[in-house]
Amino acid sequence: EVQLVESGGSLVQPGGSLKLSCVASGYTFSNYWMDWVRQTPGKSLEWIGEINTDGSKTNYAPSIKDRFTISRDNAKSTLYLQMSNVKSDDTAIYYCTRAGGSDYFDYWGQGVMVTVSS
Amino acid sequence: DIQMTQSPASLSASLGETVSIECLASEGISNDLAWYQQKSGKSPQLLIYAASRLQDGVPSRFSGSGSGTRYSLKISGMQPEDEADYFCQQSYKYPYTFGAGTKLELK
Repeated sequence: EVQLVESGGSLVQPGGSLKLSCVASGYTFSNYWMDWVRQTPGKSLEWIGEINTDGSKTNYAPSIKDRFTISRDNAKSTLYLQMSNVKSDDTAIYYCTRAGGSDYFDYWGQGVMVTVSS
Repeated sequence: DIQMTQSPASLSASLGETVSIECLASEGISNDLAWYQQKSGKSPQLLIYAASRLQDGVPSRFSGSGSGTRYSLKISGMQPEDEADYFCQQSYKYPYTFGAGTKLELK
C-alpha cells in the first residue's frame, strides 16, 4: 500500500523558515517524480512545485520561486520542502503527492498545517 | 498561467440523480486534465486522469469527457458517499493549476 506521511508543520513567524518532510512507503520512491501541493484555509488548491526522480531537476510555481526549495533523498525515501522568508499567504495545509504519468497526482499524504503569524 | 473555471460552485443532488461538473480552461490543454474528490477532513483523491481515464478502484459511475478547453465530470447515480468537494487540474503547462472546486451535497 502506497503511503505518504508528512511532518514538520508548525506555527512560524513572517520572514522565518521551516522544513517539511514526507516519507514514502509501499512503492519504489526513486521511480517517481514527486510534487508538493497546498490548500489554503479557503480550500483553494495550489501547485507548489515538483522534483524529478534523481533530484536533478525541479520546477516551481512563480508564487514561491526563490523562497521554497524541493529536494529528495532516495536512500531514505523522503521528500523535502524547505520554506524560507515565509509570508502570511503561505498559511495552508501542505500535501506531498506522487506524480503519475502526465503529471496528475495519484497519491496524496494526509497533509501538514503551516501557519504563518506573528 | 492557465485559468481553470469550474462550475457550478455548489450543487445539491438527490439519491440516484446524474450530476455534471464542468471545467473551462483559458486555453487548450490537450486532455491533460484530472479530477479529484475531497471528502470532509480528508486529502484529495484522484478520480479521473487524461480527461477520461478512470483511476484504479474508482466506481464506474464516475466518468470524464471533453476536449480542447471544455471538460466535464459526470456522476451517473448520486450516492451518499459521493458528497464531497470536486476539483479539476490541468497539467498541460506550468504552473499546474486547479479549479476553485465544486461542493456536491446530497439533497
